[in-house]
Amino acid sequence: NAGVMQNPRHLVRRRGQEARLRCSPMKGHSHVYWYRQLPEEGLKFMVYLQKENIIDESGMPKERFSAEFPKEGPSILRIQQVVRGDSAAYFCASSPRDRVANVGTGELFFGEGSRLTVL
Amino acid sequence: AQSVTQPDIHITVSEGASLELRCNYSYGATPYLFWYVQSPGQGLQLLLKYFSGDTLVQGIKGFEAEFKRSQSSFNLRKPSVHWSDAAEYFCAVGAGAGGYQKVTFGTGTKLQVIP
Repeated sequence: NAGVMQNPRHLVRRRGQEARLRCSPMKGHSHVYWYRQLPEEGLKFMVYLQKENIIDESGMPKERFSAEFPKEGPSILRIQQVVRGDSAAYFCASSPRDRVANVGTGELFFGEGSRLTVL
Repeated sequence: AQSVTQPDIHITVSEGASLELRCNYSYGATPYLFWYVQSPGQGLQLLLKYFSGDTLVQGIKGFEAEFKRSQSSFNLRKPSVHWSDAAEYFCAVGAGAGGYQKVTFGTGTKLQVIP
């Protein structure tokens, strides 16, 4: 009965390198959210994905950040050419769907996060 | 766009005392409302949720929250706090758009429990 799995838990990168964060949703969930958390700022929405489809990326920075959720495998949040300001905890959450109403419930099941440190 | 305000950044209560954490939301229609708890270094765990129906909802760990439409509030309460309740609490609002819920979080309230 695995929950949402994120890896790596901790990642250290030097400025200019790439960071790849992975997220496997709970079994039976096909919707994934990514959030970024900075101290004293709460969680900021980044992107919402279904399998093979980006639904809402309104919270994603326009440059250097991308996300995908392929048909097979985990969802990946990719940060290219990292800068010190990218240092944060990145959380993935998956969500079930109301099968009757065919809408998302908004109830989120979180992973334990990936903590990115940029040197 | 929806938004959530948690006016209290830090709250300190004595063990055994009652607790109320405030949450106000902004959204044009009836929202889905949630409270989550986060322990240090961990992900968030759902405490309770409101979708519709009874405006007083019960959650895990003895928490409850009341939805008050007239005040746009969804305050979290617990009658007697335990030391293990020390954590950060987040209120969230889900707003439907195109068949899914965009979930927006408040900035959180850190709860300290003193003996």
